[in-house]
Amino acid sequence: DVVMTQSPLSLPVTLGQPASISCRSSQSLVHSDGDTYLNWFQQRPGQSPRRLIYKISNRDSGVPDRFSGSGSGTDFTLKISRVEAEDVGVYYCMKGTHPIAFGQGTRLEIQ
Amino acid sequence: QLQLQESGPGLVRPSETLSLACTVSGGSVSSNNHYWGWIRQPPGKGLEWIGSIHHDGTTFRNTSLRSRVAISIDTSQNQFSLRLSSVTVTDTAVYYCARLGRIAAISQGDFDYWGQGTLVTVSS
Repeated sequence: DVVMTQSPLSLPVTLGQPASISCRSSQSLVHSDGDTYLNWFQQRPGQSPRRLIYKISNRDSGVPDRFSGSGSGTDFTLKISRVEAEDVGVYYCMKGTHPIAFGQGTRLEIQ
Repeated sequence: QLQLQESGPGLVRPSETLSLACTVSGGSVSSNNHYWGWIRQPPGKGLEWIGSIHHDGTTFRNTSLRSRVAISIDTSQNQFSLRLSSVTVTDTAVYYCARLGRIAAISQGDFDYWGQGTLVTVSS
């Protein structure tokens, strides 16, 4: 199965500063239909996860535009242009097609 | 509004079988456009996908758990279930059920609705 590897695992950020999380898959995530099913999830403390980004770079409804996704093939990045207090939590990249796989998670905290 | 609710024992003895059910309300597990999945999260750790099922019986399971996992669906009860056999302390986790979008039989990886999660502790 595909293994998803994130870095860093811990990310202290100053409010208003940018943040970036890297995700690498052990195999290309390009599906036979031509799409790349790489998603990003956010899990705030005490909450269930919610999807932020799908198919590399598409924001889900209600997700602020300070979140953006990029990448291709096996290398992907989630960027937050200006971190706000509500962004504290753990971020996971995820291979969206079966068999599904999550990265280890990156814990974002305000320093 | 779709709601999912996990139910089952909160304590399971080592070597026994963990059994959970997820009851869906406000929607139907017979939807052609969705898979129904199980995800777990050990205390203080990350998310692990366990498996997914479609009402036509198509099932996917995490390779690392495949030999111990069984997922079933009961359309008459509008619920789906998880059985994890031969549990050990490492199976202690919050277990979530969730809905997953499906287009042309392809999972969309959205997990747009989640249950609240249920903590299952494996201990003697």
